[in-house]
Amino acid sequence: AQKITQTQPGMFVQEKEAVTLDCTYDTSDPSYGLFWYKQPSSGEMIFLIYQGSYDQQNATEGRYSLNFQKARKSANLVISASQLGDSAMYFCAMREGLPRNTGKLIFGQGTTLQVKP
Amino acid sequence: EAGVVQSPRYKIIEKKQPVAFWCNPISGHNTLYWYLQNLGQGPELLIRYENEEAVDDSQLPKDRFSAERLKGVDSTLKIQPAELGDSAVYLCASSLGTPGTQYFGPGTRLLVL
Repeated sequence: AQKITQTQPGMFVQEKEAVTLDCTYDTSDPSYGLFWYKQPSSGEMIFLIYQGSYDQQNATEGRYSLNFQKARKSANLVISASQLGDSAMYFCAMREGLPRNTGKLIFGQGTTLQVKP
Repeated sequence: EAGVVQSPRYKIIEKKQPVAFWCNPISGHNTLYWYLQNLGQGPELLIRYENEEAVDDSQLPKDRFSAERLKGVDSTLKIQPAELGDSAVYLCASSLGTPGTQYFGPGTRLLVL
């Protein structure tokens, strides 16, 4: 069964420091996509970063990078130089790929990140 | 470029009443999704549309939930009658095709009393 596991319910980080949010996944699909979304208290899910299962290099988007270790089935999010505005819930998600190719996103339970000034 | 628009943002109703949520996707996005998010959990897919066709509604509780996307653009999700357990956030997302990145709207927070 396809599953996303986020083992850290809550994390604290000091402003300007880096933080890693953990994500492991389980799938037997040969092709899939991995996403991270940010959900502030306002409720909107904000897309942060994407990693394809066949991508050779780790994805980066500004201060966000995805540490993709395919053999370990992990897709950790690294936020560098944390800012107060980074305080939010973070969700790791996997998109079903081939052969089903439904586009369905399977989400983890989320990690709440608090940035301390 | 405008993002995904949802209305209302908040809704409070009494149990057994009907309720409807509206979503307008990003312009040009042919794929539209409705997700349900319970408190403290990640969203779960309810239904997916490709243009006006519901191609995956296996997770939609069809006894009380219905959805439509008549012209392949905006969509409405309805619950009739609402139950206490339906209190949650209903998120709409859209993408450019199934492989595209899904962009979410702000959600509708439903409280059933």
